[in-house]
Amino acid sequence: AQSVTQLGSHVSVSEGALVLLRCNYSSSVPPYLFWYVQYPNQGLQLLLKYTSAATLVKGINGFEAEFKKSETSFHLTKPSAHMSDAAEYFCAAYSGGYNKLIFGAGTRLAVHP
Amino acid sequence: GAVVSQHPSWVICKSGTSVKIECRSLDFQATTMFWYRQFPKQSLMLMATSNEGSKATYEQGVEKDKFLINHASLTLSTLTVTSAHPEDSSFYICSARDATSYEQYFGPGTRLTVT
Repeated sequence: AQSVTQLGSHVSVSEGALVLLRCNYSSSVPPYLFWYVQYPNQGLQLLLKYTSAATLVKGINGFEAEFKKSETSFHLTKPSAHMSDAAEYFCAAYSGGYNKLIFGAGTRLAVHP
Repeated sequence: GAVVSQHPSWVICKSGTSVKIECRSLDFQATTMFWYRQFPKQSLMLMATSNEGSKATYEQGVEKDKFLINHASLTLSTLTVTSAHPEDSSFYICSARDATSYEQYFGPGTRLTVT
């Protein structure tokens, strides 16, 4: 069964620093992978998705993620953090059969001046 | 981009009453909609999957008689929390899957507080 693991429930960076949020998946078949962002008391907004095309995926707000099959990883990065990036980030993957989205536990990103 | 709306955005009800939450896909057709529950500082927990015109499929541990789901059209699904209790207080989020792209779009969520 598909599972998604996000390493680090809390990540804190300085404004302008690199953002790296980690996500690993477990699947024997090529997955569809997603990163979502959630601001307080709001729903989820899609940042980017991997659907077996280019392994480096660019998303909104300057975020990108690289699919590495050998490492079963799909880490999210942004070169320079902004204060407005502070939010909860969820990595997700479709389960077998592309029926249900399986979410990681989430990583709370804090950005300090 | 595709938009999913939820109504109401927040609701307070008394214990024992029922509450209905609507989820609409505004500019696309969604043959499948999903209902999630999210506790504070936790991830989303899938409650059920609803397919237009058929009965919802509930996840293990979710009481189908308590959380009634109706997917009456390609753009509307409703979740009714029956005989609500304080432990049902939570943030409920719906999601609609575009029938052509298979991408899921999320609603803004509904904060339910049962007193």
